Formats: sequence, C-alpha cells, structure tokens
Amino acid sequence: SQQGEEDPQALSIQEGENATMNCSYKTSINNLQWYRQNSGRGLVHLILIRSNEREKHSGRLRVTLDTSKKSSSLLITASRAADTASYFCATVGSSNTGKLIFGQGTTLQVKP
Amino acid sequence: DGGITQSPKYLFRKEGQNVTLSCEQNLNHDAMYWYRQDPGQGLRLIYYSQIVNDFQKGDIAEGYSVSREKKESFPLTVTSAQKNPTAFYLCASSRRGMANEKLFFGSGTQLSVL
Repeated sequence: SQQGEEDPQALSIQEGENATMNCSYKTSINNLQWYRQNSGRGLVHLILIRSNEREKHSGRLRVTLDTSKKSSSLLITASRAADTASYFCATVGSSNTGKLIFGQGTTLQVKP
Repeated sequence: DGGITQSPKYLFRKEGQNVTLSCEQNLNHDAMYWYRQDPGQGLRLIYYSQIVNDFQKGDIAEGYSVSREKKESFPLTVTSAQKNPTAFYLCASSRRGMANEKLFFGSGTQLSVL
C-alpha cells in the first residue's frame, strides 16, 4: 500500500534554480524521510523529520512537515546538474513497527 | 568498507524456475528489508526481518520467500509462483527495525524473464 504521494511526478529546471517537491500522506505518522535515487541505483537517505518537528535543514536541502495537512515538502536550493535524480518520500506510520512505506517519487532533471 | 552488497546486478529467469537474489551487509544492522521497484514506480515492501531467524511479510510477499539464518545475510528467492517477476529488487538494512531508523540500500538487482 502506498502511503506517500509525491507531486509533481516530474520536474525540469535550470541549474541554479530552486526545486520544490511535495509529499502527501494518508495516516498519522511517526516520522517522514526523504531519499534520493540515481538512475539504476539504490536509494540514499537524505533527511528524516519527526512528527513533532516542523522544519529541518541539511546543506542545500530544506524539509518542512505540516501534520495538520498531512504533507511535507523538500526544497533543493541553487540546484546543480548532479542533483538530477528521483526523490522519494517515505513514512513510518504511528502504529507501525518500522515498516517504511514509499511514495512513487518525483523525477528531477536539472539542465546545465 | 561498510555497506550492503547485492548480487548479481543482472539476473535472468526462465519459465518455471526459482532464482535467488543475494544480499549481504557488514554494518552489523539488526533489520533487513527487500523492496521491489517497477519502472517509474515507488518501492513496495516484499519481506522484512528485524532479527535473525525471524521475518515478516510485507505488502507483496506472494511468490517470494526469504530466510535469515545469519545476521549479515537476507537472501530473497523469487519462485515460479511469481508470475510477473520482472522488476528492480532492492535490499536495505537499518540499525534496528524501529520507527526512527534510516535505511541503507544496496545497488539493486535487475531481474528479467527470458
């Protein structure tokens, strides 16, 4: 069962611009995580935000969480061609025992 | 060099054949997971294990089997009962099978049907 739904499905921007991806989920969560996947590779963890946190930063990444709207956003500032990848949100339900449920992802293309 | 190793990178299955995908980790993690990814889709959980000699079904376990005889190893068998096995298979691990743990992924195995 898919918990998170990313929006948009695909995003194309120029290098130097900011990229914003959104994730909506259905049930209450313990935490929400963002992962990155380069084509044909495994996923790499980017950031984890807990349900009692509203915003978190890591380098050029900024994640927000609005539990009242059941949504999160990932902002990549000053994007680079190397940021081209698919980005997934994943949630752990508050009633879960550690199962991470992934959304379908946003494919980001950053043009040089 | 710590991490998760999946092998082979590419695997072909004939009709009616069982195939086994290997996943080994040297991170000393307790929990391990198998996900399936279809083109343009997200990941779906097949099986997971939070401790040696124990595992649970995920959302799409039918046609798959696993074992967890050693902490570092979590092989996945795709049986002949899985009628649509073509997909990208990802193995992952976490320190514990708990809610606030991040996952570490292998580089995946692409399985195709001949």
